[in-house]
Amino acid sequence: EAQVTQNPRYLITVTGKKLTVTCSQNMNHEYMSWYRQDPGLGLRQIYYSMNVEVTDKGDVPEGYKVSRKEKRNFPLILESPSPNQTSLYFCASSLIGKETQYFGPGTRLLVL
Amino acid sequence: AQRVTQPEKLLSVFKGAPVELKCNYSYSGSPELFWYVQYSRQRLQLLLRHISRESIKGFTADLNKGETSFHLKKPFAQEEDSAMYYCALRVNSNSGYALNFGKGTSLLVTP
Repeated sequence: EAQVTQNPRYLITVTGKKLTVTCSQNMNHEYMSWYRQDPGLGLRQIYYSMNVEVTDKGDVPEGYKVSRKEKRNFPLILESPSPNQTSLYFCASSLIGKETQYFGPGTRLLVL
Repeated sequence: AQRVTQPEKLLSVFKGAPVELKCNYSYSGSPELFWYVQYSRQRLQLLLRHISRESIKGFTADLNKGETSFHLKKPFAQEEDSAMYYCALRVNSNSGYALNFGKGTSLLVTP
């Protein structure tokens, strides 16, 4: 089944403890992206990647890192999480030139 | 910078009534716009894109470059249309493109 998966789905952590949220897609999509969704702010793009080893900042990249070593995976790294990064995170992927983005199920993160 | 504006946080209509969800954008390039929908407890999914000029689930959206708008319309709303709707603009960058989403409009269709 073609899909985007994220792990974990729910995570509670403490300030400063490094964490990684994984994202994987099995559709051979070149484009992958991370968003955070917050009440009243909608979806905001954190980082995106056009292909392996090609990443770029979105609107809210501060406090996040990404890597794209393989086409199928696009992990989101929070080196030192802070409470303002408490949010619902979505990963998405698409073919270049076909902007229909396929979204993952979301990861709900709580930073205490 | 927010390039997509959805002025209504919440829109409530009766079943069978027409519905219009507003979206305005600002962009110096040639705009490509999309509507995404998120039903309760489901993932975001593409509803329609302006390039294809299609009608999905009875919804249509026309790009009006003069008014810089891409409003989503349906002549007769159904209860199953209740969802969160996001307008999105493709923004080109040096390395490719990003998608800029509006803050979303929650549509509630009541019987």
